[in-house]
Amino acid sequence: EAGVTQFPSHSVIEKGQTVTLRCDPISGHDNLYWYRRVMGKEIKFLLHFVKESKQDESGMPNNRFLAERTGGTYSTLKVQPAELEDSGVYFCASSPAGTMSSYEQYFGPGTRLTVT
Amino acid sequence: LAKTTQPISMDSYEGQEVNITCSHNNIATNDYITWYQQFPSQGPRFIIQGYKTKVTNEVASLFIPADRKSSTLSLPRVSLSDTAVYYCLVGSWEYSTLTFGKGTMLLVSP
Repeated sequence: EAGVTQFPSHSVIEKGQTVTLRCDPISGHDNLYWYRRVMGKEIKFLLHFVKESKQDESGMPNNRFLAERTGGTYSTLKVQPAELEDSGVYFCASSPAGTMSSYEQYFGPGTRLTVT
Repeated sequence: LAKTTQPISMDSYEGQEVNITCSHNNIATNDYITWYQQFPSQGPRFIIQGYKTKVTNEVASLFIPADRKSSTLSLPRVSLSDTAVYYCLVGSWEYSTLTFGKGTMLLVSP
């Protein structure tokens, strides 16, 4: 069974540019989460999808970040325009439906975003 | 959310048993304790979860005393490949987003 995949693995962009990160969760997982770690900080929650609906987006830092999950399969996270402080590693995780499994989340390898 | 405190780092030799203790003094009644492992350049990986007493799986054991104010992750006979950051997380089933702390960096040497 394929795990959570993320693309690209690393992206280097200039301040002001747009970047779109993609996450493909494990097939059949209704829950999809985005997290990120900025330099020297802890991993922080960004948002949570249940199928195609945003369940919780309380962690999104500002309106330069837009997450979508059309059709309830893969998800994209767009940063527009990117700022220097957006640099970090963005993780995607997924889990099956049902509260008993919500704490066992399967993480992807992350996308390292560098904004110069 | 319950705050967790764990060692910043630990060193061990191959073949030893490693115990990492996490303090969570203000744990709530409906909170569970979950541990994740993270290797460099990878995402965190679920290891084990428990509510009280002892839980064991093929990777580790989790000991939780009766007052639940702390928990201990036990890794039997560690190998070099167990070198990683270990995170203790505490939260309720009702709130599925994970809150990571700084974790414990475990370094296993030959």
